[in-house]
Amino acid sequence: DIQMTQPPSSLSASVGDRVTITCRASQSISSYLNWYQQKPGKAPNLLMYAASSLHSGVPSRFSGSGSGTDFTLTISSLQPEDFATYYCQQTYSTPWTFGQGTKVEIK
Amino acid sequence: QVTLRESGPALVKRTQTLTLTCTFSGFSLSTRGMCVSWIRQPPGKALEWLALIDWDDDKYYSISLKTRLTISKDTSKNQVVLTMTNMDPVDTATYYCARMTSVAGVFPYGMDVWGQGTTVTVSS
Repeated sequence: DIQMTQPPSSLSASVGDRVTITCRASQSISSYLNWYQQKPGKAPNLLMYAASSLHSGVPSRFSGSGSGTDFTLTISSLQPEDFATYYCQQTYSTPWTFGQGTKVEIK
Repeated sequence: QVTLRESGPALVKRTQTLTLTCTFSGFSLSTRGMCVSWIRQPPGKALEWLALIDWDDDKYYSISLKTRLTISKDTSKNQVVLTMTNMDPVDTATYYCARMTSVAGVFPYGMDVWGQGTTVTVSS
């Protein structure tokens, strides 16, 4: 299985901050990397696919980059509704695997 | 509008078989490229992909759970069914289904629409 690592497991930030979340794959996954946002008690929502493509309806303050093994999700100006847990996922090869998540908390 | 909804028992006993149904609308599993995946999330833990079925009835399974899982579809009813045998308390989780799109055998678009999830508790 391809292992996905998301350090750190949580981070604290303030409204208006620029936030970067990292994800590393245990082997090259080209650009088959997706990002999801999950709020407590809710299903995940797709934010980005193919590493840097914004899913329909997602605010433009979200962006993604990377290829191969190292990826980042950036929120350019953190909004109150962005406090949530973010997961990366590879769909390069089955079994598709998720990272352990990064929880963005209010500072 | 694409929607998916999971249904099944909220409580099962250890060693029993779990059967979950994903009922969807807004797309057809007979359309080339359309797929449905199952994913689960134990309380307070990360997401775990379980299985996928595509429009051509090809099936993919989690390696660690392959011997316990069966995925099937009923195109006429717009439903995908997942069965998991020999349930254990560690299988207690919220189970989600989600739509995916395949393009020439690859899956570049992620899981773009998710159901609300159904919580399953396994008693010992």
